[in-house]
Amino acid sequence: GQSLEQPSEVTAVEGAIVQINCTYQTSGFYGLSWYQQHDGGAPTFLSYNALDGLEETGRFSSFLSRSDSYGYLLLQELQMKDSASYFCAVRGRDDKIIFGKGTRLHILP
Amino acid sequence: DAGITQSPRHKVTETGTPVTLRCHQTENHRYMYWYRQDPGHGLRLIHYSYGVKDTDKGEVSDGYSVSRSKTEDFLLTLESATSSQTSVYFCAISESMDSTEAFFGQGTRLTVV
Repeated sequence: GQSLEQPSEVTAVEGAIVQINCTYQTSGFYGLSWYQQHDGGAPTFLSYNALDGLEETGRFSSFLSRSDSYGYLLLQELQMKDSASYFCAVRGRDDKIIFGKGTRLHILP
Repeated sequence: DAGITQSPRHKVTETGTPVTLRCHQTENHRYMYWYRQDPGHGLRLIHYSYGVKDTDKGEVSDGYSVSRSKTEDFLLTLESATSSQTSVYFCAISESMDSTEAFFGQGTRLTVV
């Protein structure tokens, strides 16, 4: 089966950098993704890592280490609008896309 | 935005009644998923589909059934609703088995009283 672990909450200051970690266990591996969800909204796709290393998309970066079954999402120059929940997700050999329980990001002014 | 719509958006129903939620896509994506979201549990997979008439169970499938008779529609049925099925339900679509990129509908808030 598949399972993912991520912190339940993280707090950071506006303008700072924050890292959200995710460790996973899966049978077969087709990449690690990150999603953002604002209160009352639907999850939206942020990034995808199939191979080891860092992927950068504007202020957001995502990292993957397949040997460690570990990844993280890095958010730079934090803005108040980044206050949201962030989910990591994996897809296994059985085509299921499984999500972590989510990390609530609180941003202080 | 990906063309995916859920209906209804809100529903209140009584315990013991059947309920069907609909997910409709216009993207012709192969994979479709139903999740439920509850505080402290994140997104939990109920059922998913990898093609017309091809479905399989997820993590929390008890009490739910699905059907996919056309590429664009994926129905989730609660045969006899219970209060524990009060939740927000999300449908998602995905094009390729080589990616975890998925697009979500806006969700259905279901309350079972």
